[in-house]
Amino acid sequence: SAVISQKPSRDICQRGTSLTIQCQVDSQVTMMFWYRQQPGQSLTLIATANQGSEATYESGFVIDKFPISRPNLTFSTLTVSNMSPEDSSIYLCSVGDQDAGTQYFGPGTRLLVL
Amino acid sequence: TQLLEQSPQFLSIQEGENLTVYCNSSSVFSSLQWYRQEPGEGPVLLVTVVTGGEVKKLKRLTFQFGDARKDSSLHITAAQTGDTGLYLCAASFQGGSEKLVFGKGTKLTVNP
Repeated sequence: SAVISQKPSRDICQRGTSLTIQCQVDSQVTMMFWYRQQPGQSLTLIATANQGSEATYESGFVIDKFPISRPNLTFSTLTVSNMSPEDSSIYLCSVGDQDAGTQYFGPGTRLLVL
Repeated sequence: TQLLEQSPQFLSIQEGENLTVYCNSSSVFSSLQWYRQEPGEGPVLLVTVVTGGEVKKLKRLTFQFGDARKDSSLHITAAQTGDTGLYLCAASFQGGSEKLVFGKGTKLTVNP
């Protein structure tokens, strides 16, 4: 399985500002995913990030609010833009393992918006 | 849109008791994963099942995949306080795809 790190691990931000979350993998992967996990809830997929193409967003999530970069096969960023308290969540990145048909997750970024 | 129903949503038991968590859908899974997530951490993969009728064991945890590949269960024997956490089932509905649909999760608390 891949080793995945995320930065920052947590942050407290003011409303109206933006935060960029980084996800680094120790091996090259084709597909990376970004999830949101609201307090006490399960995971909701925000978008799928493929290297060299635009991210694919799920219903209810838009690029202007959650721009994603995927400059190479080991790195991705998710920006949470113009934040409001409703954006307070854990943001998780994961990588796909096509052979196993599964995903491995990073440790998450805990965001609190005041 | 494929949905994954997971139950129960909350479970609080005493150490030493057994428990079962269920995950099912109206659609056939290509594969199904069980994850455990502890507070402050990301989900950790416990097992992947791909064959209908498959049973996998991981120490005190037994995972079963239904014959029709529309349901799965996780059974924990003699629960310990260290089993406390959020258990998530996640399914791939498309062969060769890593995209997953997650259940709502089961928050398990094992009391000493």
